[in-house]
Amino acid sequence: GQNIDQPTEMTATEGAIVQINCTYQTSGFNGLFWYQQHAGEAPTFLSYNVLDGLEEKGRFSSFLSRSKGYSYLLLKELQMKDSASYLCAVSDSNYQLIWGAGTKLIIKP
Amino acid sequence: SQTIHQWPATLVQPVGSPLSLECTVEGTSNPNLYWYRQAAGRGLQLLFYSVGIGQISSEVPQNLSASRPQDRQFILSSKKLLLSDSGFYLCAWRGFQDTGELFFGEGSRLTVL
Repeated sequence: GQNIDQPTEMTATEGAIVQINCTYQTSGFNGLFWYQQHAGEAPTFLSYNVLDGLEEKGRFSSFLSRSKGYSYLLLKELQMKDSASYLCAVSDSNYQLIWGAGTKLIIKP
Repeated sequence: SQTIHQWPATLVQPVGSPLSLECTVEGTSNPNLYWYRQAAGRGLQLLFYSVGIGQISSEVPQNLSASRPQDRQFILSSKKLLLSDSGFYLCAWRGFQDTGELFFGEGSRLTVL
């Protein structure tokens, strides 16, 4: 079966760094997405990785290791507005997205 | 630029009542369209997707149905709602970049009582 695992909840302090991990087992792989979802709102796109390595975009970076079925989202200089759920999704062999349950990130002052 | 809208944003319906959620996309032609449901604390569950007018693929058996009467319109319906239909419903369209990124509507919160 297809499976995406990520922690249910994480807590971090404003100004700090946090790493949210995602492991996956899917039938085929055509890229991995990270989305941010504030409570009661729709998800918004953060990053896409299809090749191994680190993609940096401002305060956010995303890493992928295809051989390990592993990705992480790194958030630096945390701000209160970063409090949200972070969803990991993998595009499978049919280019359909398989979604993790999301990681709720709580930022404390 | 492309935009996607869905409505209503919130609705409370009794068990056994009908449902109609509507989604429209502007600024693009022949988009791939999707309906997802997100239960509390759960991942996004794909319900239906459509690659063109009148073409609907169902991913899970349920009492919901979808229709695509026009190129940029996607409708989610039910004749008789169940308690288990409560959730956050999201319409999305797929971008034409190689990444296949999804763009979501605002979401519709459905509570069935």
